[in-house]
Amino acid sequence: NAGVMQNPRHLVRRRGQEARLRCSPMKGHSHVYWYRQLPEEGLKFMVYLQKENIIDESGMPKERFSAEFPKEGPSILRIQQVVRGDSAAYFCASSRQAYNEQFFGPGTRLTVL
Amino acid sequence: GENVEQHPSTLSVQEGDSAVIKCTYSDSASNYFPWYKQELGKGPQLIIDIRSNVGEKKDQRIAVTLNKTAKHFSLHITETQPEDSAVYFCAATGRTGANSKLTFGKGITLSVRP
Repeated sequence: NAGVMQNPRHLVRRRGQEARLRCSPMKGHSHVYWYRQLPEEGLKFMVYLQKENIIDESGMPKERFSAEFPKEGPSILRIQQVVRGDSAAYFCASSRQAYNEQFFGPGTRLTVL
Repeated sequence: GENVEQHPSTLSVQEGDSAVIKCTYSDSASNYFPWYKQELGKGPQLIIDIRSNVGEKKDQRIAVTLNKTAKHFSLHITETQPEDSAVYFCAATGRTGANSKLTFGKGITLSVRP
């Protein structure tokens, strides 16, 4: 029974490039959440999606960041024109329904040079 | 919005002793309070949670208590072991429309001395 899967686990980008982070939820889970963790800090909510719908994107920066969860395939967090301040660990969590337990993936550690 | 504060930021205990980690929250509408354990280089792992309709929940060496009036909740670990050493995060969420996002505390680093 596979847990939440994220890839890549580590991603290095130069300033101005695009970063694509992928998340496959647990089997049977249709709710996906993205969180960002800066060094020495807790996790900050970014966006909450269900299949083909963005439910809440109140934690997403207004520019350069976007997320999707298509009918088929993983959820994608896209960061365009990355800057050094985007360097962080990005975690995806999934739940079976809203208000259910959220289970986290291993994260993608993004480093922007 | 919700604000979750966690204290202390670090805690060191002797193996076999108990550890207590406390969190406070600001939004009285919050009704679900999970605790996560994060080891170095890994994702957060859900270890226990509590909903607002109960005051205490226990799972082997781990227990969580909730005081809705004071808006605080605590994690209790008994008979600590070196493998309990990790960063622990508390979180809170409530039913605000369709939103079930978690608001996290900043985490506490627990060190268990052998």
